[in-house]
Amino acid sequence: GAVVSQHPSWVICKSGTSVKIECRSLDFQATTMFWYRQFPKQSLMLMATSNEGSKATYEQGVEKDKFLINHASLTLSTLTVTSAHPEDSSFYICSARDTVNTEAFFGQGTRLTVV
Amino acid sequence: QKEVEQNSGPLSVPEGAIASLNCTYSDRGSQSFFWYRQYSGKSPELIMFIYSNGDKEDGRFTAQLNKASQYVSLLIRDSQPSDSATYLCAVTNTGGFKTIFGAGTRLFVKA
Repeated sequence: GAVVSQHPSWVICKSGTSVKIECRSLDFQATTMFWYRQFPKQSLMLMATSNEGSKATYEQGVEKDKFLINHASLTLSTLTVTSAHPEDSSFYICSARDTVNTEAFFGQGTRLTVV
Repeated sequence: QKEVEQNSGPLSVPEGAIASLNCTYSDRGSQSFFWYRQYSGKSPELIMFIYSNGDKEDGRFTAQLNKASQYVSLLIRDSQPSDSATYLCAVTNTGGFKTIFGAGTRLFVKA
């Protein structure tokens, strides 16, 4: 399958700071990228969908000013958690797909801990 | 009604048995269906996808789709302890713009 690389794999930050997570498609052009959040023992929750060159579409209840998504190129999308608080601690996962295939491939995930 | 529903389990089967995982979805316009496996603390990995009614086999895995019943299943033959994980059913919405995940079914394969 296609390779999606997510970085960092884990991060610890202080409350009130911002954290940027990168998601890269290594061997295909990711026209669409998805960002998910997963709390322990819970399902994946879609946060937003981004298409290259367009503004992200956020799911209901997800604050777009807090979770900034940029998808400026066909191989890179970033999620910035601004002014992070302990309740933002979670496992954040990106997935990506191209225009030809509907299956999406996942990055390794980023475990964010806000202290 | 949830968009994609799965029994949360846990489903426990002995080693060597067939594990049967089920999923129903609400969007009649859905065209693509996926099964992902997720180990604890890891991100999901794609096992199979299916687009047409009927069965699709890949090694020990068989996906079954019935669009009229809005039902998709995954059979795992000769289950192994290493198959113990959470299995996520995923469905694209009408138009295929986004992929909706079920809550997942936890599978335990006992040695």
